[in-house]
Amino acid sequence: DIQMTQSPSSLSASVGDRVTITCQASQDISNYLNWYQQKPGKAPKLLIYDASNLETGVPSRFSGSGSGTDFTFTISSLQPEDIATYYCQQYDNLPPNTFGPGTKVDIK
Amino acid sequence: QLQLQESGPGLVKPSETLSLTCTVSGGSISSSSYYWGWIRQPPGKGLEWIGSIYYSGSTYYNPSLKSRVTISVDTSKNQFSLKLSSVTAADTAVYYCARRSDGLYDYWGQGTLVTVSS
Repeated sequence: DIQMTQSPSSLSASVGDRVTITCQASQDISNYLNWYQQKPGKAPKLLIYDASNLETGVPSRFSGSGSGTDFTFTISSLQPEDIATYYCQQYDNLPPNTFGPGTKVDIK
Repeated sequence: QLQLQESGPGLVKPSETLSLTCTVSGGSISSSSYYWGWIRQPPGKGLEWIGSIYYSGSTYYNPSLKSRVTISVDTSKNQFSLKLSSVTAADTAVYYCARRSDGLYDYWGQGTLVTVSS
């Protein structure tokens, strides 16, 4: 099975800061990598698909990059409504459809 | 607008079978473009993919749960279902149903908490 790791596991940043989360796959997954945002008590919401494509309606301050085994998710200017846990998810090798362990983002 | 809604018992006894149904509205479960999946999240923990099903009945399961999981589809009711047998406290989680499109999950149910306890 492909294993996914994320770092950091949590972070605190100020409003307006640039926030970067990394996701690493245990083997090459090309660009088959998605990013989700989950707010407390809510279902996850798709933000980025195929590593770098912004889902319709998602603010442009969110972006993704990478391919192969190393991926990056960025919030260019952190907003209070961005407080959430962010998950990467691979779909190159099924099953399983693995999610990363998540990164919790708080406001400093 | 597509909507998914989970339903089923919120409390299951240890060793019994957990059964949940996801009702899809605003679209057809028989669309050839999508799989339909179950994902769970233990309290305070991350997301775990359980499995997914195509309208024809073709399934994929998480190898770690495969021996206990059955996912089925009822196209006449626009529903798909999850059965997880021999549950323990470790199966306590919020269970989500979701639509899978080309590897991504774009529509999710609100989730339902299932507690395993005697």
